[in-house]
Amino acid sequence: NAGVMQNPRHLVRRRGQEARLRCSPMKGHSHVYWYRQLPEEGLKFMVYLQKENIIDESGMPKERFSAEFPKEGPSILRIQQVVRGDSAAYFCASSQEAGGETGELFFGEGSRLTVL
Amino acid sequence: GQSLEQPSEVTAVEGAIVQINCTYQTSGFYGLSWYQQHDGGAPTFLSYNALDGLEETGRFSSFLSRSDSYGYLLLQELQMKDSASYFCAVGTGTASKLTFGTGTRLQVTL
Repeated sequence: NAGVMQNPRHLVRRRGQEARLRCSPMKGHSHVYWYRQLPEEGLKFMVYLQKENIIDESGMPKERFSAEFPKEGPSILRIQQVVRGDSAAYFCASSQEAGGETGELFFGEGSRLTVL
Repeated sequence: GQSLEQPSEVTAVEGAIVQINCTYQTSGFYGLSWYQQHDGGAPTFLSYNALDGLEETGRFSSFLSRSDSYGYLLLQELQMKDSASYFCAVGTGTASKLTFGTGTRLQVTL
């Protein structure tokens, strides 16, 4: 059973370009979470999605950031017009039940975005 | 909102026991989780406490006191491979998400 798959693992963008990060949850998992991590810091919640629905996007910046989890295909985190402050590791996690209720999330290896 | 506090760094020698504390403030508390993350790697789940008391899983144990809004992770018989960052996280039922602490960097020395 494959784990959470994220791609690309590393992404370099120039300021003003767009970044698209993809996440395929574990088989059978319908809950997907995106977290951002800066060097030497903790994991900051961004958004929680279920198939075709955004459940909680309270951690996502109002501008330039969007996320989706379509009926078919991976979840996508999209960052438009990237700025240097967007440079970070973006982790996707999935769970079979709601993560806040079971405490257990399965994380991917992360996508490391560098903005030049 | 939620806030969690844990020490930023802990150093211990191989074979020793170390305790990493976590205090939290939150509403709609479901439980306290612990995750391990090696440099450059993915966070991996270690344990979860929903009820007061001690949960033991091999060399690792986790404790929760809901009345004190406090928990800890206990690592026994430390090994060099235990050098990593450890995060506590609280689950809140309203949004069913996990909020993570800032992490404790554990350095195991010879």
